[in-house]
Amino acid sequence: AQSVTQLGSHVSVSEGALVLLRCNYSSSVPPYLFWYVQYPNQGLQLLLKYTSAATLVKGINGFEAEFKKSETSFHLTKPSAHMSDAAEYFCAVSRLRSGYALNFGKGTSLLVTP
Amino acid sequence: NAGVTQTPKFQVLKTGQSMTLQCAQDMNHNSMYWYRQDPGMGLRLIYYSASEGTTDKGEVPNGYNVSRLNKREFSLRLESAAPSQTSVYFCASSDYRDGNTIYFGEGSWLTVV
Repeated sequence: AQSVTQLGSHVSVSEGALVLLRCNYSSSVPPYLFWYVQYPNQGLQLLLKYTSAATLVKGINGFEAEFKKSETSFHLTKPSAHMSDAAEYFCAVSRLRSGYALNFGKGTSLLVTP
Repeated sequence: NAGVTQTPKFQVLKTGQSMTLQCAQDMNHNSMYWYRQDPGMGLRLIYYSASEGTTDKGEVPNGYNVSRLNKREFSLRLESAAPSQTSVYFCASSDYRDGNTIYFGEGSWLTVV
């Protein structure tokens, strides 16, 4: 079964510092992987997705993620954190069945301090 | 663009009451989903509909029923609400023509007392 594990339920960074949110996946076949962001009291918004076209995926708001098959990882990074990046981030993998529903990680809450 | 619209946004129910969460999408997507979100649990799939006329169980279907009324609408029904169903519910949709990206509604906050 396809699954993802997010390492660290809470991450705190200073404004201007590197953001690194970790995600490892488990899949028997090449996966489709996603990162979503959720701001307080809102729905989930797609940041980026990997569909095997390129291992380095660029998303919105300056985020990017690199697919590393050898490490089964899909970590999310941003070179310089902004206060507005404070949110909950979810990594997800597409199911093989279930109408392409997603299996989500438990989420990482990003705190950005001045 | 409306995207995925859910109603109601907030609801308080008493144990044993029933209610239906409504969802509609205007993107002509084939697939629709209902998820629930609980603290520290991420999002868990309740039911999905891969296409109009079909519905299937996800990870946590117990206590829920769904109806794919037409291509646009996918409702979630709680027949006899329980406190364990206190959660935030998200409807979502996707389509292979859109790279199977899933688009979410704004969520429905349900409290069962």
